[in-house]
Amino acid sequence: GENVEQHPSTLSVQEGDSAVIKCTYSDSASNYFPWYKQELGKGPQLIIDIRSNVGEKKDQRIAVTLNKTAKHFSLHITETQPEDSAVYFCAVRTDSWGKLQFGAGTQVVVTP
Amino acid sequence: GAGVSQSPSNKVTEKGKDVELRCDPISGHTALYWYRQSLGQGLEFLIYFQGNSAPDKSGLPSDRFSAERTGGSVSTLTIQRTQQEDSAVYLCASSLGVRDGELFFGEGSRLTVL
Repeated sequence: GENVEQHPSTLSVQEGDSAVIKCTYSDSASNYFPWYKQELGKGPQLIIDIRSNVGEKKDQRIAVTLNKTAKHFSLHITETQPEDSAVYFCAVRTDSWGKLQFGAGTQVVVTP
Repeated sequence: GAGVSQSPSNKVTEKGKDVELRCDPISGHTALYWYRQSLGQGLEFLIYFQGNSAPDKSGLPSDRFSAERTGGSVSTLTIQRTQQEDSAVYLCASSLGVRDGELFFGEGSRLTVL
């Protein structure tokens, strides 16, 4: 089955700096790569996603890059703000599965 | 325009008892997913439904776990003879279809087995 590894497990950044989280996956047939943000006591919420025919996607301060050859994708958050503090999960899906396989999560702390 | 609704939000039970967790998906969403999140851990896939059928039950940890979905809507996750290691947050999500991008998650049911 699919194996998704996510790094780092914790990330502390100064407000205004950038944060980068990386995920690698094993199944070359994977074709959908979303990122979810989970705030304390809440369910995860989609913040950005990318499909395998696109290399990069940007939405305001967040961006995702995908390298299918190397089988890894990354989340970039620029100009971090305290409200960016949360746990971020990457996920992977292949058409043949239907389910999303999640990484272990990254606890991001933005200090003022 | 309600989101995914889960109940109970909190459940404390004694070891050996059975529990039922309920998920009410977003109206019109045909796909429904159950995940488990242990303290400080990632999301562990349990089962998903397309309509009322469950094509993938591979994530259910043991035969004490079962799930059903009726009328293409509400789903119930049942854990029989609960054990302490079952303590976790059980998250339900729904999407328009199994290949349709975004999963919308509920806030979860926190289960504590004493």
